[in-house]
Amino acid sequence: DAGVTQSPTHLIKTRGQHVTLRCSPISGHKSVSWYQQVLGQGPQFIFQYYEKEERGRGNFPDRFSARQFPNYSSELNVNALLLGDSALYLCASSLEQGRNLAFFGQGTRLTVV
Amino acid sequence: GESVGLHLPTLSVQEGDNSIINCAYSNSASDYFIWYKQESGKGPQFIIDIRSNMDKRQGQRVTVLLNKTVKHLSLQIAATQPGDSAVYFCAENPSGTASKLTFGTGTRLQVTL
Repeated sequence: DAGVTQSPTHLIKTRGQHVTLRCSPISGHKSVSWYQQVLGQGPQFIFQYYEKEERGRGNFPDRFSARQFPNYSSELNVNALLLGDSALYLCASSLEQGRNLAFFGQGTRLTVV
Repeated sequence: GESVGLHLPTLSVQEGDNSIINCAYSNSASDYFIWYKQESGKGPQFIIDIRSNMDKRQGQRVTVLLNKTVKHLSLQIAATQPGDSAVYFCAENPSGTASKLTFGTGTRLQVTL
C-alpha cells in the first residue's frame, strides 16, 4: 500500500506568487490535514479536511486555503507568497475524523525568494 | 498559547545504551499523545501512541510513559542504534481528534559509536 504522497517534493517561488501543493492520502483514509514546518521547529497545524469539508483551521492568514476532492486527495493553496512562507509543508492522513493516528507524507519543501 | 515542549533539544547516546526523551505538555484536556521520529528531509514517522487512560505502553524497543499528574511524557528507546538518530517530536491532540495535533520543537537524538 502506498503511503501519503505529496507533490511536488521541492518548489522555488518568487515573493507575491501563488503556489498549489498536492496530497494523496493513504487508500481508505478520508481525513487530510496540512501542517507547516519551519526549519528547526515542530509542525504547525494549518487545516483539516474530512469528507470534503473543512473541519479545522490553525492560526494562518487567509492567504492560505485548501480543498478536498471526492477521491479524498487535497490541495493547499497559498497566495501572495512571503519569504516567511518558506517551509516544509506536510500532509497527514487519517482514517476518519475521530481519534485516529495521523500518517505523514514526505512533505513539499517550498522556498520563497 | 498552550503548547507541547521538550526539556532537552539535543541528546547524545552511545550505541547500545538506552535513550530517554522527555516532553512536557500544558493542555490538561489533551487525551491522546503520539511520538514521531523525523529523519532529515523526511516527514514525521509514527513511533508509538498512548491515550490518557493509560500510564505506559510498549512497542518494539520503545516505551512511552505518561504522567498526567505533572503533565509529562517520555519516550524510552532500548539498545539505541545508529538508525535511531533523528529528531523526535511528541504531539498532543488538544481538540480530541488525532488529525489536529500540537507539536513541540523536537529533540535531536545523536547516537555515537
